[in-house]
Amino acid sequence: DTAVSQTPKYLVTQMGNDKSIKCEQNLGHDTMYWYKQDSKKFLKIMFSYNNKELIINETVPNRFSPKSPDKAHLNLHINSLELGDSAVYFCASSQATASGRSSYEQYFGPGTRLTVT
Amino acid sequence: RKEVEQDPGPFNVPEGATVAFNCTYSNSASQSFFWYRQDCRKEPKLLMSVYSSGNEDGRFTAQLNRASQYISLLIRDSKLSDSATYLCVVSPHSGGSNYKLTFGKGTLLTVNP
Repeated sequence: DTAVSQTPKYLVTQMGNDKSIKCEQNLGHDTMYWYKQDSKKFLKIMFSYNNKELIINETVPNRFSPKSPDKAHLNLHINSLELGDSAVYFCASSQATASGRSSYEQYFGPGTRLTVT
Repeated sequence: RKEVEQDPGPFNVPEGATVAFNCTYSNSASQSFFWYRQDCRKEPKLLMSVYSSGNEDGRFTAQLNRASQYISLLIRDSKLSDSATYLCVVSPHSGGSNYKLTFGKGTLLTVNP
């Protein structure tokens, strides 16, 4: 069973299009994240949701809109795609412990390789 | 100055070698420290947490120097399967569910037969 899954795995699209990436975790975690890893392999957080509530929103263009329909899902919609959006997008999840402290381990999905032409 | 800086690498070592990676972080309020491993075209995975007293997990030893804001990872008796990118990761939080990790760019290690 895949713990954190993402679809699609590969996405090739043209500039100006709108696309969505879906993420699901079956670990029962309450916190989910989106990361972007660019061509230089630099992994940077974009968003984080805790129990469907947005808690981290880094400096990301408004064209990127996350949506969390429930705590097991976190989707990422991107409007008006640009060449610079080409990257690998990773979803991740983690769990706050009973004491309210988050598990140190974030579990990552396999990534979605987005290519904008 | 970048929040988390690592040796740029790449490191190419023979099997059985000992290799050390260094990392510095800029935020003195950082509370939690980790090493993640990322295989080629795969997702990052937690290798080990780093504690103030230093900690060891088999062939892997991690050290933290808060005064120098420096983290290290030592791999002894390198195996071919250790070939990967090693990511130094820092968080300003010691807990709580809004858990932000800041990743270094990673150091690529190739272990050769």
